[in-house]
Amino acid sequence: AQSVAQPEDQVNVAEGNPLTVKCTYSVSGNPYLFWYVQYPNRGLQFLLKYITGDNLVKGSYGFEAEFNKSQTSFHLKKPSALVSDSALYFCAVRGIGGYQKVTFGTGTKLQVIP
Amino acid sequence: DAGVIQSPRHEVTEMGQEVTLRCKPISGHNSLFWYRQTMMRGLELLIYFNNNVPIDDSGMPEDRFSAKMPNASFSTLKIQPSEPRDSAVYFCASSLGLGEVETQYFGPGTRLLVL
Repeated sequence: AQSVAQPEDQVNVAEGNPLTVKCTYSVSGNPYLFWYVQYPNRGLQFLLKYITGDNLVKGSYGFEAEFNKSQTSFHLKKPSALVSDSALYFCAVRGIGGYQKVTFGTGTKLQVIP
Repeated sequence: DAGVIQSPRHEVTEMGQEVTLRCKPISGHNSLFWYRQTMMRGLELLIYFNNNVPIDDSGMPEDRFSAKMPNASFSTLKIQPSEPRDSAVYFCASSLGLGEVETQYFGPGTRLLVL
């Protein structure tokens, strides 16, 4: 069975500093990987996805994520955090082939401190 | 595009009552998903449809939960009878299809409180 782990419930970072939100996954075969963001009282919004190719994926709002197959990780990064980035971030994975459900992680709350 | 539309946005009901949540997916999207989000269990996939047909309902917690998609532009999630432990935020999402890289687009959610 596929799974996603987001080891940190909350990440605090000062405004202007780089941020990293961690994600590791487990799936049979090669993965498709996603990051979504949820602002308070809103639904999840798609940020970026890894399908194949370049291990560094660029997405919305200046976010990027690096796929590392050997470490089975897909950490979300941003060079300079904004207060408006404060939200709940979800990593998700699905396997390749046929239709498989997308499995979401438990979410990491990002708090950017002014 | 209006995005995924859910109604009501908030619902407060008493234990034992029937609750119906509604969803209108993005026009042209063929797949629809119902999720439940709670602090304890995070985001759970309840059921998903493709071309109005239920594909996998293994996430539906109990027989008290049922979902329908009578046409491409409307789906309902019904809880009968409701219980306090059903209190959660229920999200509907849609995607173009069940392709391997299809992005899901989420609605704003329905916040359900069962007293």
